[in-house]
Amino acid sequence: QVHLVQSGAEVKKPGSSVKVSCKASGGTLNNYAFSWVRQAPGQGLEWMGGIIPISATENYPQKFQGRVTITADESTSTLYMEVRSLRSEDTAVYYCTRGPGGCSGYDWGNECFYYYMDVWGTGTTVTVSS
Amino acid sequence: QSALTQPASVSGSPGQSITISCTGTSSDVGGYNYVSWYQHPPGKAPKLMIYDVNFRPSGVSNRFSGSKSGNTASLTISGLQAEDEADYYCSSSTSSSTVVFGGGTKLTVL
Repeated sequence: QVHLVQSGAEVKKPGSSVKVSCKASGGTLNNYAFSWVRQAPGQGLEWMGGIIPISATENYPQKFQGRVTITADESTSTLYMEVRSLRSEDTAVYYCTRGPGGCSGYDWGNECFYYYMDVWGTGTTVTVSS
Repeated sequence: QSALTQPASVSGSPGQSITISCTGTSSDVGGYNYVSWYQHPPGKAPKLMIYDVNFRPSGVSNRFSGSKSGNTASLTISGLQAEDEADYYCSSSTSSSTVVFGGGTKLTVL
């Protein structure tokens, strides 16, 4: 059974960056889609972006384009998410997730789907405070 | 991409049935059968309860069921139990190769 083990809690200053890791034990990264989801205090779940390693494709919602980068190291079965220019509103619990997904190529580009998330990581608390 | 619309709260007595709605657009819920539902107890990681509109993962009680009509998906929990009390979120793939969640619904078992 696959487990997603995330790095420990972080405390950061506004304007700095944070990089959270997520190691997939018991499985490879191929043939799956990985997402990062966060929950700020008192708020709902928010999808921050995803990566489909076999397609070498990353996808981000407009809100996080340019401020979030998701990468995958297949040699260590580890995912990473970096958030730059941190502000207090980024204080949240961050989860990595795994599920089925894939991309299809067209003349105009790729269309990717993250179908659902059936494995969730342990969660990493990031606190942004001066 | 705006969040999917869910009621903020629902409640029911043990043994009753409740339904949580999730409304999106033709670019997400209405356009694809990739709607999923997650149960999120306080202090724990979310758990997948329904995927692809109406499929249950192994180990999830058959008291949980899903459906979709047009741009609105629904989660029904029958035979409510105290252990069902949690926050529930719907989610959908979108035409922008992204994922969108609903705002979440707090289920209270009276």
